[in-house]
Amino acid sequence: DVKVTQSSRYLVKRTGEKVFLECVQDMDHENMFWYRQDPGLGLRLIYFSYDVKMKEKGDIPEGYSVSREKKERFSLILESASTNQTSMYLCASRGQGIYEQYFGPGTRLTVT
Amino acid sequence: DAKTTQPPSMDCAEGRAANLPCNHSTISGNEYVYWYRQIHSQGPQYIIHGLKNNETNEMASLIITEDRKSSTLILPHATLRDTAVYYCIVRVEYNFNKFYFGSGTKLNVKP
Repeated sequence: DVKVTQSSRYLVKRTGEKVFLECVQDMDHENMFWYRQDPGLGLRLIYFSYDVKMKEKGDIPEGYSVSREKKERFSLILESASTNQTSMYLCASRGQGIYEQYFGPGTRLTVT
Repeated sequence: DAKTTQPPSMDCAEGRAANLPCNHSTISGNEYVYWYRQIHSQGPQYIIHGLKNNETNEMASLIITEDRKSSTLILPHATLRDTAVYYCIVRVEYNFNKFYFGSGTKLNVKP
């Protein structure tokens, strides 16, 4: 079974802090994604990566950056956390030529 | 990518078939229909996808109308564990990495 793990299930940070969310997949997938999920808005794509050191902006990249130094790991960085970044963050991965995305359990981030 | 419209919620009795509709009237010829679900406090889970033909797997069946403007996900014998939010998504083949998840349908399976 594909396993996508995220470093924390719950996280509380203060406004202005730098926040790192880590995602690891164990299936050698080329593609990895970061989404945020908010009530009434569904899932929105923040960034994705199709290879090591490669990244592309999704629909809402402002205020976020990403890092992919190793194939199995994809990090989401909030350079200076703000209260409007309080959300559920979901990581996903997908193998080349495979249709479905596999999601991690999510990290619920609260910025106070 | 085409937009999708789903009812916000539906109820289903345990053991009965759950039929979840999705409207995608602006779908184009190279767009696939995908279904995912999200059980509370978990990440979304892939269920099934199709282009033109009806599809069936161990989890569900997908019925796509001939004009492809709507589809129905069928869970043949719903259980309490099928209570979740179900997302219908369309995706262009060349834009393989972008999935647009809307608000979905909250399916409540009742005993």
